[in-house]
Amino acid sequence: NAGVTQTPKFQVLKTGQSMTLQCAQDMNHEYMSWYRQDPGMGLRLIHYSVGAGITDQGEVPNGYNVSRSTTEDFPLRLLSAAPSQTSVYFCASSYSAWRGYEQYFGPGTRLTVT
Amino acid sequence: KQEVTQIPAALSVPEGENLVLNCSFTDSAIYNLQWFRQDPGKGLTSLLLIQSSQREQTSGRLNASLDKSSGRSTLYIAASQPGDSATYLCAVSREGTSGSRLTFGEGTQLTVNP
Repeated sequence: NAGVTQTPKFQVLKTGQSMTLQCAQDMNHEYMSWYRQDPGMGLRLIHYSVGAGITDQGEVPNGYNVSRSTTEDFPLRLLSAAPSQTSVYFCASSYSAWRGYEQYFGPGTRLTVT
Repeated sequence: KQEVTQIPAALSVPEGENLVLNCSFTDSAIYNLQWFRQDPGKGLTSLLLIQSSQREQTSGRLNASLDKSSGRSTLYIAASQPGDSATYLCAVSREGTSGSRLTFGEGTQLTVNP
């Protein structure tokens, strides 16, 4: 199993540009989520999905959009990039949305918005 | 709102020393607690998962304990090695409106000196 994969590893955007961060898992996991990690703030939940076609907002959803058309993929879209979205983004997955199963993380995407 | 605190923020020890990392959380209504390791510029690697009904979990030189009623967990590392140098994060899982959600501490940065 490749586990949780993310692309790209690094990205530089200009303010106002849009882009999609890709996340895929090959473990047939029901639950997928996106976090951002910032110095002094820890990891914060952006959006999550409990199954194909079902998504919900996390702690910091503004400026981001998600969809889940398949079990394997959970892309994160930045609608109009802002410098405040400079961060490291992690995708995670787990077997089930309920009862707190172990979560597995991807290697991250380091995004800089100028 | 769940808050997770990790003390100390940074720790430097000589090789071979046994050490304890601390994690505390404010809301004891959790499903589980998970300890992660993060190497610089990398993703999170799951180390140990303790369910709310358990008191401790062990993996090799690592032992994690959980006292849910007092909102505390410790990660004990025996006979530390330079390869243990990394940031250690704890996260608690609790039920959200659409599945469980993780709340992270900011981590303890561990340096083991040869």
